[in-house]
Amino acid sequence: KQEVTQIPAALSVPEGENLVLNCSFTDSAIYNLQWFRQDPGKGLTSLLLIQSSQREQTSGRLNASLDKSSGRSTLYIAASQPGDSATYLCAVRMTTDSWGKLQFGAGTQVVVTP
Amino acid sequence: NAGVMQNPRHLVRRRGQEARLRCSPMKGHSHVYWYRQLPEEGLKFMVYLQKENIIDESGMPKERFSAEFPKEGPSILRIQQVVRGDSAAYFCASSPPGQGLREYFGPGTRLTVL
Repeated sequence: KQEVTQIPAALSVPEGENLVLNCSFTDSAIYNLQWFRQDPGKGLTSLLLIQSSQREQTSGRLNASLDKSSGRSTLYIAASQPGDSATYLCAVRMTTDSWGKLQFGAGTQVVVTP
Repeated sequence: NAGVMQNPRHLVRRRGQEARLRCSPMKGHSHVYWYRQLPEEGLKFMVYLQKENIIDESGMPKERFSAEFPKEGPSILRIQQVVRGDSAAYFCASSPPGQGLREYFGPGTRLTVL
């Protein structure tokens, strides 16, 4: 059974610092992995999607790496801004469910202080 | 192209009543997923539907919960005889036909059971 864990559960950094968010998963037979952002009372916004054959994806200040063999992904946010304050969720799709569901971690709640 | 739409955004029901949650996928999307987010917990998969078919309902509680995605109209998640433990945010996501493609999430329906 796949278990997705995100550490830390909460993180507070001053503006300008780089953010490092971690996601680990127990079953390496993943099809792809996504990072989402969730703002309070809002839905989810997909930030980056990494296919199992890829090592990393980049979009602007965001970079996500994937090490499938060790069951880890890391989301880096460079030069954090107060607008980056949100909960960040990691989700995997299994090879056996390549048409189907995502399995989510519990999230990391990020606060960026001005 | 409008995003995934969910209504109502907030729903209050008394114990024993029925709750109906609606999801209109993005145009051209034929896959719909429902997820539930309990307070202080991550998102949990409930059901995956394609037009007129339930593909995977492994996350649905065995009783009181049902889902449909008719040929015409929105997908509906129905909860009969609600209990306080059903209070949660219910998110719908849609994706185009295809394997492992990115989902787009709606803003969610927040159900409160009194």
